[in-house]
Amino acid sequence: DAKTTQPTSMDCAEGRAANLPCNHSTISGNEYVYWYRQIHSQGPQYIIHGLKNNETNEMASLIITEDRKSSTLILPHATLRDTAVYYCIVRVKNAGNMLTFGGGTRLMVKP
Amino acid sequence: DAGITQSPRYKITETGRQVTLMCHQTWSHSYMFWYRQDLGHGLRLIYYSAAADITDKGEVSDGYVVSRSKTENFPLTLESATRSQTSVYFCASSEYRPQPLFNQPQHFGDGTRLSIL
Repeated sequence: DAKTTQPTSMDCAEGRAANLPCNHSTISGNEYVYWYRQIHSQGPQYIIHGLKNNETNEMASLIITEDRKSSTLILPHATLRDTAVYYCIVRVKNAGNMLTFGGGTRLMVKP
Repeated sequence: DAGITQSPRYKITETGRQVTLMCHQTWSHSYMFWYRQDLGHGLRLIYYSAAADITDKGEVSDGYVVSRSKTENFPLTLESATRSQTSVYFCASSEYRPQPLFNQPQHFGDGTRLSIL
């Protein structure tokens, strides 16, 4: 399984872009990168996923480097409600559609 | 409303008791999952199911039992609860698509906070 490395915590000013990095240097060619977040006392929430092209949806943008060894999740205009733990996950290869959650990055959006 | 719901939200029980956590989804997703979340361990997979009557063990399945007689329900049972099973339990579901295989996002419930005294 490809492992991921994320900073333990980050701060971001409200209204600014939050850029959350993730390293996944052992990723395989057919493994997707997923991002989830978990707001306090809630279940994890799916944000976005991608294979090799950059992706954008209503929540965020995902930038994947050309060698696919790292990626960045971008929240373009962070709000206080974006304060959460953000998990970068590479799909587990074995049976089923399982996800392995690591420690994640605790993002604190400050006024 | 459509979605995934877990019940109860909070449960306190005693060691040795049997307790069942319920999970219901309205999307008709093929896959369903049970995770537990503990400080210092993140989320760990307990069991998952690819379809009705098909279940398989995850990383930490000892002491747990699941069933999936209907697509929409995936109950998790602790047959004889122990203090080490005190945790927050999350249920999730995802749909199955042949392409791209196994890469559909999971949707989580709000969790059940279980305390075993």
